[in-house]
Amino acid sequence: QLQLQESGPRLVKPSETLSLICTVSGGSISSSAYYWGWIRQPPGQGLEWIGSIYYSGNTYYNPSLKSRVTISVDTSKNQFSLKLNSVTAADTAVFYCARQPTVMVSWDYWGQGTLVAVSS
Amino acid sequence: QSALTQPASVSGSPGQSITISCTGTSSDVGSYNLVSWYQHHPGQAPKLMIYEGNKRPSGVSNRISGSKSGNTASLTISGLQAEDEADYHCCSYAGSSTYVFGGGTKLTVL
Repeated sequence: QLQLQESGPRLVKPSETLSLICTVSGGSISSSAYYWGWIRQPPGQGLEWIGSIYYSGNTYYNPSLKSRVTISVDTSKNQFSLKLNSVTAADTAVFYCARQPTVMVSWDYWGQGTLVAVSS
Repeated sequence: QSALTQPASVSGSPGQSITISCTGTSSDVGSYNLVSWYQHHPGQAPKLMIYEGNKRPSGVSNRISGSKSGNTASLTISGLQAEDEADYHCCSYAGSSTYVFGGGTKLTVL
């Protein structure tokens, strides 16, 4: 059974960089059949797609976040990561990592999510 | 790229049918039949319910269906059950390998 688990600091100071890792177990992140993505949900709001990455390293970002986001993949550790720089309180959210099949335009497996607060 | 518009809340009694709308633009929902829907119980991982407009993943009840008309996609749940109470989110492909979600709809089973 595929599992995704987000990890990283739960509290980040304003203007600093938010860093999260998604560890994939029960499947290979190097499969050509999937993209891997980050999605967030600010408190009381809807979901927002942050970006996606292919095992080859090709990345796709939300235009509204593109200038602050970097997503990378480490196939040796079966992990992919998110960096969001210059954070503000508006970046406080539950962050999810998820799998996106190339043949199904959707996210079929999700992590449980991790709440990251931006506060001094 | 603006968020898709969903009603904040819908409700229905057990056994009834409800429909949740998801309105976008001609740049996303209207241009592609690539809307997906997710059921989200608070504190849990979202669950894929519909993909590519009207396709159900294996294991999803046939009480769940999706459709689209113009710039609006819809999710219909028939034979409403208590376990259907959750938040529902729509998502559309928006071109150039980008995606846009809706604001989410809280479904209450009365």
